[in-house]
Amino acid sequence: AQRVTQPEKLLSVFKGAPVELKCNYSYSGSPELFWYVQYSRQRLQLLLRHISRESIKGFTADLNKGETSFHLKKPFAQEEDSAMYYCALRCLGIKAAGNKLTFGGGTRVLVKP
Amino acid sequence: GAGVSQSPSNKVTEKGKDVELRCDPISGHTALYWYRQSLGQGLEFLIYFQGNSAPDKSGLPSDRFSAERTGGSVSTLTIQRTQQEDSAVYLCASKRGYQETQYFGPGTRLLVL
Repeated sequence: AQRVTQPEKLLSVFKGAPVELKCNYSYSGSPELFWYVQYSRQRLQLLLRHISRESIKGFTADLNKGETSFHLKKPFAQEEDSAMYYCALRCLGIKAAGNKLTFGGGTRVLVKP
Repeated sequence: GAGVSQSPSNKVTEKGKDVELRCDPISGHTALYWYRQSLGQGLEFLIYFQGNSAPDKSGLPSDRFSAERTGGSVSTLTIQRTQQEDSAVYLCASKRGYQETQYFGPGTRLLVL
């Protein structure tokens, strides 16, 4: 079965400092990886997905199949980046998996002024 | 357009009572998911509906949990004989097609006393 691990429950950084949220996964097949974000009192929303290879709000993430990682990075954190971040995996090519997302435990990011 | 909506937003119930949680997906979205977000457990998949196909119930934690989707649109998640460990935020998400992104609702916060 697939699994997503986010080793840090809390990351506290100062505004302007770089931030990196770690995500590791285990899955023997071909995965699709996502980062979701939940700001205070808002619904969970997609931040970025690896197949898009885009930068959203200054965040980037690269899928490293050798290390089975999909770490999220931003060079200069802003106070508005304070939120809960979830890494998620979808199993490609397996109809039985039903497109469900398997989530990591989440990392709370606090950006201090 | 309107996003995924869920009702009620909050529900407090007594242990042993049954509860029904409702999800209205985005119009035209054929796939609908239920997830549970609880302290210490992160986000867990519960059940998935795709069109007229049989639902994927592999994430339901016990036979006290059931869900239905009427007319390919609105879905109801029912928890019978609620237990305190059922306390969580129940999230609904919908998606238009296989490659598309899941859009999440605001959730229903359930508290079982």
